Amino acid sequence: DAGVTQSPTHLIKTRGQQVTLRCSPISGHKSVSWYQQVLGQGPQFIFQYYEKEERGRGNFPDRFSARQFPNYSSELNVNALLLGDSALYLCASSLGATGELFFGEGSRLTVL
Amino acid sequence: AQKVTQAQTEISVVEKEDVTLDCVYETRDTTYYLFWYKQPPSGELVFLIRRNSFDEQNEISGRYSWNFQKSTSSFNFTITASQVVDSAVYFCALSGGGLGQNFVFGPGTRLSVLP
Repeated sequence: DAGVTQSPTHLIKTRGQQVTLRCSPISGHKSVSWYQQVLGQGPQFIFQYYEKEERGRGNFPDRFSARQFPNYSSELNVNALLLGDSALYLCASSLGATGELFFGEGSRLTVL
Repeated sequence: AQKVTQAQTEISVVEKEDVTLDCVYETRDTTYYLFWYKQPPSGELVFLIRRNSFDEQNEISGRYSWNFQKSTSSFNFTITASQVVDSAVYFCALSGGGLGQNFVFGPGTRLSVLP
């Protein structure tokens, strides 16, 4: 079975641009979470969606938004990119609303 | 507020040595979950173990073992007879017992196992 898949794997943007990151959860998993991992630090929670509803939001500005589709895949959008948004964006899925997370390999965003 | 501390930033050992990675957590929740994840250079976080706050039994899985002590708010991870493939960044994480999954991760410990 396929694990969590994310696209794109790498991308480069310039300040002020917008980016959309995509995530497909493990088959049967209904919860998707997004984390930001800055180089040298642990991942930080951005959003969780379960059954297409937002279940949690971390301490990130409104420039960050997400949604979950009927097939449980998810998109993370970041508007008005800043240099500080450069990071590895990790998507994770789980079977239910709680429990261990299974992560994808991430989308590495570089903002110039 | 929840917090996870991993005081060891980097550890280097020689193959076959035992190594313990420390994790100390803070939470006001009575029900919570603790996790360890491994992050190899590829970037994907690999789940290793989950422990709930009511289960203080230590666990062993092959060369890996975990020591959960509620009295000291610690959840330490020991690798016995380390191997080069164990080289990675290891994260300890904490999740509350509510409906959400806001995992709070520690800063990670980079383990290098030298041949």
